[in-house]
Formats: sequence, C-alpha cells, structure tokens
Amino acid sequence: DAMVIQNPRYQVTQFGKPVTLSCSQTLNHNVMYWYQQKSSQAPKLLFHYYDKDFNNEADTPDNFQSRRPNTSFCFLDIRSPGLGDAAMYLCATSTSGGSYSEQFFGPGTRLTVL
Amino acid sequence: AQSVTQLGSHVSVSEGALVLLRCNYSSSVPPYLFWYVQYPNQGLQLLLKYTSAATLVKGINGFEAEFKKSETSFHLTKPSAHMSDAAEYFCAVIRSSGNTPLVFGKGTRLSVIA
Repeated sequence: DAMVIQNPRYQVTQFGKPVTLSCSQTLNHNVMYWYQQKSSQAPKLLFHYYDKDFNNEADTPDNFQSRRPNTSFCFLDIRSPGLGDAAMYLCATSTSGGSYSEQFFGPGTRLTVL
Repeated sequence: AQSVTQLGSHVSVSEGALVLLRCNYSSSVPPYLFWYVQYPNQGLQLLLKYTSAATLVKGINGFEAEFKKSETSFHLTKPSAHMSDAAEYFCAVIRSSGNTPLVFGKGTRLSVIA
C-alpha cells in the first residue's frame, strides 16, 4: 500500500545532541510537510516543500532544519535539542494539483529529550 | 486568514449515544474543511472533507459533517458512539486558498463510556 513512513517511531536524545528524523513516502506526492505536535495540542507546521522549494514558517526556530534530497525522502534535523523540543513530529504529504490539498500523515516520531 | 475554532476540548459520551463535536470556521473565501482523527501515538487520519460540493459530507467509520454557511459551522456527528471512537479529533481548514497548508483547531478529545 502507498504510504508515509517515519523512522524511528520513538527517538531519545540528550539535551544539545543533534538528532535527525526521517520521513519517506511511496505516494509520489510533490509536497511534504513537517509538523510539531506537543502534548494535547494541535499540530503546528514547521516547514514544507513544494518539490524542492523550501517554505519555512516565520516562527520556526533556527534550531530546526530540513532536507529533501529527492521526491521520496525528507529529513528533519534538530541541531541542539532542548527540553522544550520534546514532542511528536509528524510528516505529511500531498499533491499540488487540483484546488485543495488533502494531506496524508505518517505515524509520527515521538522525541524525548533527556 | 482562515481559522477554525473547536468548542470543547473534551467531550464524553456513553456508548451508543450521539456524538457531536463542534467546529466553527472563519474564512474570507469559500473554505475547504477537514476532520481528522488521531489515536494515541499515531498520525492523523482523514475522516472526511468538505470541498464545496454537497453540504452533508459522509466519512469513514460512520461519521458525517454538515457545512452550514449561515452558522460558519462544520460540526462532526455520529449517531451511535462506539468504544473504538475514543480518540482526538481535529478540525482543519486550508490556510488561504489553493494548495496551501492546513490550519488545525486545538482538538477535541472524545471519551466513550461503557
């Protein structure tokens, strides 16, 4: 089945130690998104790609970076994780065709910062 | 800019009772509206979407929602709650127009009591 895959599902890192989260998709969608979701809150968009065109949200901290080496893969790099970065990180994809974008979500990576 | 407001952060119903989760939107253009469900430690799954066709939208798992322009509402209903419906529900709207990211409400946690 076509899907959005996130690895790992659970990630533990130490305060200040860089960490990379991975997302891959078999849907061949040209738009990919990264959301941060803290406990009992709505998902908050960090950035998204239209193909290779990177779009950063104005309030996304500089500590967060992203790479998209090809259509299928997208990475979220947290350069120096703080305790406040502990959250669920959700990857999503969509197409840019048509008049609206239905997003398909991966299962998420839960990040713990010690 | 478009936004959604979900009334009630927590709703509790008895098994077999009507489920009603409220969502009101604010939009300067005809909105595209979505309901997503999130089970613990999982990603978001699309329940249903409104894309300016029929105002009564039927989704998966017996859920439906009615778009009411006069009330700027898009409430989610299900005639008979099942224990498996216990989850977090998010209402969302396209951020501006065309293919732009979603803006999520704060979510409503649904509990189902046996």
